[in-house]
Amino acid sequence: SQQGEEDPQALSIQEGENATMNCSYKTSINNLQWYRQNSGRGLVHLILIRSNEREKHSGRLRVTLDTSKKSSSLLITASRAADTASYFCATWKNRDDKIIFGKGTRLHILP
Amino acid sequence: DAGITQSPRHKVTETGTPVTLRCHQTENHRYMYWYRQDPGHGLRLIHYSYGVKDTDKGEVSDGYSVSRSKTEDFLLTLESATSSQTSVYFCATGPPSYEQYFGPGTRLTVT
Repeated sequence: SQQGEEDPQALSIQEGENATMNCSYKTSINNLQWYRQNSGRGLVHLILIRSNEREKHSGRLRVTLDTSKKSSSLLITASRAADTASYFCATWKNRDDKIIFGKGTRLHILP
Repeated sequence: DAGITQSPRHKVTETGTPVTLRCHQTENHRYMYWYRQDPGHGLRLIHYSYGVKDTDKGEVSDGYSVSRSKTEDFLLTLESATSSQTSVYFCATGPPSYEQYFGPGTRLTVT
């Protein structure tokens, strides 16, 4: 079964607004990653947050991690049309050979 | 894309025929992964490799086999394709504890 579950499944916002999507997972993890996928393309890594970190920033992206609630959020500030994509979280447990992806959130930025 | 290519990029085949998809990397990554992506299911791991000739099953391995005879190549074989294997297949490389790099995908249609 998949480890991460994103919420909402789909999100439409106006350009310039902030977009927030969430990821919940079931077991203890060592890190959590967020990826973006533009239509018809492969996934691109956005940011990685370790289990001992609570918040991380990269440009217009802000990721938080709450290990007590087993959840993470991805905030995209001042959204742009180019942010239209699907966003996936992925989790890794120590000594595991693989990461597990969630089903993703489809983000649509309206002009 | 960290030097990852997939071939073919598109393929249409008939039920019951064997199909082999190829993933090629130039970054000398030890780990390589095959995923399939279907609407409503996100990315699901089929098989992965942690070294030459070292492979293991993912969550949806039935009907698929893999081989890795060289560091740079990871082959995914559908021994007898079925319509349920119509999907987009992605290859990825990179250690599970860090970011993964994805290929452009192969769109497979089984008629």
